[in-house]
Amino acid sequence: KAGVTQTPRYLIKTRGQQVTLSCSPISGHRSVSWYQQTPGQGLQFLFEYFSETQRNKGNFPGRFSGRQFSNSRSEMNVSTLELGDSALYLCASSLGWEPHEQFFGPGTRLTVL
Amino acid sequence: AQTVTQSQPEMSVQEAETVTLSCTYDTSENNYYLFWYKQPPSRQMILVIRQEAYKQQNATENRFSVNFQKAAKSFSLKISDSQLGDTAMYFCAVTGTASKLTFGTGTRLQVTL
Repeated sequence: KAGVTQTPRYLIKTRGQQVTLSCSPISGHRSVSWYQQTPGQGLQFLFEYFSETQRNKGNFPGRFSGRQFSNSRSEMNVSTLELGDSALYLCASSLGWEPHEQFFGPGTRLTVL
Repeated sequence: AQTVTQSQPEMSVQEAETVTLSCTYDTSENNYYLFWYKQPPSRQMILVIRQEAYKQQNATENRFSVNFQKAAKSFSLKISDSQLGDTAMYFCAVTGTASKLTFGTGTRLQVTL
């Protein structure tokens, strides 16, 4: 089976812009979770989507949003980018029921200038 | 709320030796799972080992094993016969009924010749 894929792998944006990141889960996985990784805050949970519905949400401002499509692919959007949004954004997929292990993608490195 | 504490920011071990990484956690859930993830320089998060809290037997996976002390809320990772490829950041994580991983701050492990 192919693993979790994320596009793009690298992204450079300027403050005030918006960005959309994409994640394709492992075939058959219905849950997609997003995490932000920064040197200062570590790994933080953004949100989780299951069957096109947001099932869980972390403590991030409304500028961070996401959605999931019927094929389980997910997108994450960040509007009005701030310098502090520079991070590695990791997507993880799982089957979706019971706390199964999550399989991570390679991440998208976002740099905000 | 869940918390994970990794008190060793950095550790070093010689090739072929054994090393133990510490992790303590706190959760209010009765049914939860614990994980160790490895993040090499490529930044790809790789699942090392998983432990169901309701299982008393410690999980093992080849050279990797855990010491799960439920009452003490301790979940340490032992790496036997360390290899150069084990050099990475190691993250301890906990999840409950929600598919939300709470990570520790990580331990940077360096395997030397």
